[in-house]
Amino acid sequence: GAGVSQTPSNKVTEKGKYVELRCDPISGHTALYWYRQSLGQGPEFLIYFQGTGAADDSGLPNDRFFAVRPEGSVSTLKIQRTERGDSAVYLCASSLGDAGAGYEQYFGPGTRLTVT
Amino acid sequence: QKEVEQDPGPLSVPEGAIVSLNCTYSNSAFQYFMWYRQYSRKGPELLMYTYSSGNKEDGRFTAQVDKSSKYISLFIRDSQPSDSATYLCAMTSTSGTYKYIFGTGTRLKVLA
Repeated sequence: GAGVSQTPSNKVTEKGKYVELRCDPISGHTALYWYRQSLGQGPEFLIYFQGTGAADDSGLPNDRFFAVRPEGSVSTLKIQRTERGDSAVYLCASSLGDAGAGYEQYFGPGTRLTVT
Repeated sequence: QKEVEQDPGPLSVPEGAIVSLNCTYSNSAFQYFMWYRQYSRKGPELLMYTYSSGNKEDGRFTAQVDKSSKYISLFIRDSQPSDSATYLCAMTSTSGTYKYIFGTGTRLKVLA
């Protein structure tokens, strides 16, 4: 079946602009995660959704970052007033999120964000 | 000190060699342990998923977890040039949101 998809694959924006990054999880997966991966580092957790609600947003670096998942499927990560330090690969992962089914997270290809 | 430590490499081995990749961790609450493979400019691909201590084998890959030492390993037998990638360990606890904590990744190069 189809995996996690993310759009756009690449985004170049100017400092101070607003960007939206989209994630389409695996069908039927109720849990959705956003991570950020800087060059030479492992992914770092940003936010977790169970269904429509953000169950854990402790990884968001500041209030310029916001994410939504209004219908419990597609999620959008929104970054306001972008800064050069926001440049990274933004990864989305989804999971069945069920104790019986397992908690394996499957990742999308990522969106490479470059802030100039 | 990071919760998960992983040697970044790079690690170069000849084709056919046995590769050993390792991570150490400090949080005793971690119960699930994963290994991902990440090719350049691609998303992480799940290789192994294990719960608690013990071994798990899948084809040429074997994952080992030693919770008493807070140490996990991934072994790759008969390594191939196509195994050249970055290998990320990840772990999570059984409480909370199951967010993964990743190591920095080890770059592996298998030479033909």
